[in-house]
This record gives sequence, C-alpha cells and structure tokens, in this order.
Amino acid sequence: DAKTTQPNSMESNEEEPVHLPCNHSTISGTDYIHWYRQLPSQGPEYVIHGLTSNVNNRMASLAIAEDRKSSTLILHRATLRDAAVYYCILSPTFGSSNTGKLIFGQGTTLQVKP
Amino acid sequence: NAGVTQTPKFRILKIGQSMTLQCTQDMNHNYMYWYRQDPGMGLKLIYYSVGAGITDKGEVPNGYNVSRSTTEDFPLRLELAAPSQTSVYFCASSPRTGGLITEAFFGQGTRLTVV
Repeated sequence: DAKTTQPNSMESNEEEPVHLPCNHSTISGTDYIHWYRQLPSQGPEYVIHGLTSNVNNRMASLAIAEDRKSSTLILHRATLRDAAVYYCILSPTFGSSNTGKLIFGQGTTLQVKP
Repeated sequence: NAGVTQTPKFRILKIGQSMTLQCTQDMNHNYMYWYRQDPGMGLKLIYYSVGAGITDKGEVPNGYNVSRSTTEDFPLRLELAAPSQTSVYFCASSPRTGGLITEAFFGQGTRLTVV
C-alpha cells in the first residue's frame, strides 16, 4: 500500500483558513486520496476524497497537485469543533485491491485556538 | 438509520477470558471492517469482509476471529484475551456505488481493557 506523510501537528486560529498537507510520492494511478478526521473520543468520520481534480464539499476542499504526489485539505474557516486528528489515506480504486480497506498513519493533530 | 452500532461501549476482561464485540449496520453495506486503535496511534485493520460469508485478514489479525453470516452483522471474537489486546475497537462499513468504494461509516467504538 502506498504511504502518506503528514506533519504530526498544526495550529490554527478560529475562523481562519487551515491548509493540511499530505505527501504521497508513491501514489499509483488508480489510488484515490481520502481524508478522514477523528474528533476526541469518537470514531473517524469521512471528510472528502478525490482522484485527480480538486474537490469541494460542505466540510472542506481538497487540492490535488498536478503530479498527484501531494494534496492539501483546506478548511475554509476553522472552528473549535474542527480540532481533531486528520488522516490522509490512499485507497486503490479498481480490481481485487478495491476492498475499501483504509490504512491509517499517525495523522495530523489540529489544534484550533479561540 | 442508526448507522453502525457497536456493543458494548466499555468492557473489562480478565486475562484468558473470551468475548464477542458486536457490530451491526442498517445501511445494507456489503463491506465491513474491524479496526483497533491503541493510545496515541492511528487505526490498524484487524479483519474485513466484502460480503456475507466472505472474510479476510487485515494488518493485525492474530488473537481475533470474525464471521459474517448476514449483511448486517460482523462480530469480532477475542479468544484468550491478553493485555496486548487492550485497545479501542472500531467497526466500519462502506457501500459500493458504481463500482467504487468511497466513504466508510464508523461506529462509536468499544473500549476494551484486559487485566
């Protein structure tokens, strides 16, 4: 499984944008990029996913580099409720490897200051 | 929809005891997963299932067993509990839409302590 690299921790101020980076230099052409977050004492929750193009949803935006070797999760206005561990995960899309398994790394712990 | 429901929420086991962690989902998802999370770490995949009657090992299957007799239920069995199995266990399920598996839905977790 292709590996991702994320900073251990980041800080943000409330109501400011947050850019969470992820490096995945060994990504294969059929790997989707997924982001999940885990609030304290809860199970992970899905945030966003993408393949090649930038993606937006109600929670966040995902910016994918042209060579797909890195991506950035963007929270447009951080709130205190966004304080969580954010995981960037690669998952194969097609064929027998397409089982939806998620291989979690350490993630980035985001602290939001009021 | 209740989503993914795990029971119990908390449990203390003695070394050598056995127990079953229950997981049920009401979203008719074919794909289900068991993960464990040790303190300060990311989740590790224990077992997964791509449909009723089909299960496979994940990253850390030793000491666990699973079964999948129905689409809704995916119980995780611990035989001969050991302190190393002290962890928080998460069950998850995913739909397959148009050939793609995208979003996983997680339960709230079972916090297990083996003493």
